[in-house]
Amino acid sequence: QMQLVESGGGVVQPGRSLRLSCAASGFTLSHHGIHWVRQAPGKGLEWLAVIAYDGGKKYYADSVKGRFSLSRDTSKNTVDLHMNSLRAEDTAIYYCARDFTPLILTPVGGMDVWGQGTTVMVS
Amino acid sequence: DIVMAQSPDSLAVSLGERATINCKSSQSVLYNYNNKNYLAWFQHKPGQPPKLLIYWASTRESGVPDRFSGSGSGTDFTLTISSLQAEDVAVYYCQQYYNTPNTFGQGTKLEIK
Repeated sequence: QMQLVESGGGVVQPGRSLRLSCAASGFTLSHHGIHWVRQAPGKGLEWLAVIAYDGGKKYYADSVKGRFSLSRDTSKNTVDLHMNSLRAEDTAIYYCARDFTPLILTPVGGMDVWGQGTTVMVS
Repeated sequence: DIVMAQSPDSLAVSLGERATINCKSSQSVLYNYNNKNYLAWFQHKPGQPPKLLIYWASTRESGVPDRFSGSGSGTDFTLTISSLQAEDVAVYYCQQYYNTPNTFGQGTKLEIK
C-alpha cells in the first residue's frame, strides 16, 4: 500500500526554525515530485511548495518564499521542508503529497497520495 | 495567481438526493496542446488527509464510488454526488494545477439535511 509519513512537527517559538520530513512506503519516492500543503486552524487548504522528482525544479507559494525551502535527502530517502523565521500564522497541519505523474522534470501538480499530516504550532 | 471560487460555502442535502458543488477559476485551466483541464476535486474529513476524488476535471480516481462525478471545462466546473450517503459528509475542495502556485478553492462544507 502506498503511503507517505510526515515527521518533525512540534511547538516552536516565533523566529525559530523547524524541519519537516516526508518518507514513503509502497512506492519509490525518488520517482515523484512531492508537494507540501497546509491547513491552519479553521481555515482551508493552502498549497505551499513542490520539488521535482530529481530535486531540480522547486516552486514556492509567495507566503513562504524566502523562508521555506525544499530538499531531497537521498541517504534517508526523504523530502524535507526547511522552515525558517517561523511566524504565528505558520501554525497548521502540514501534509506532504505525491505528484501523480512520475519522472517528470516539472511536476504536473495533481496530488494522489497524502500523508496523515504533522502539526506545527508557533507560539 | 489563479483564484478558485467555490459555491456554495455550505450545503445541506437529504440522504439519497443530489449534491452539486461549483468551482470557478479566474482564468482558464484548459491546456490547448493536450485538451486537458488541470482541475482536481478533493474530499476532506476531520482528522484525515484530503482524498483525491477527481482529476483532469472528470476522471474519477481509482476506488472512488461512481456516485461522484466531475464536469466542466475552461473556467467553470462542477462536482456532483448523485445520491448522497452519510459517509459523504465532508468539506470538498477544487484545486487547479495549471500553474504554480497551485491553488485551492475556499471549500464547501457538505452536511445532511
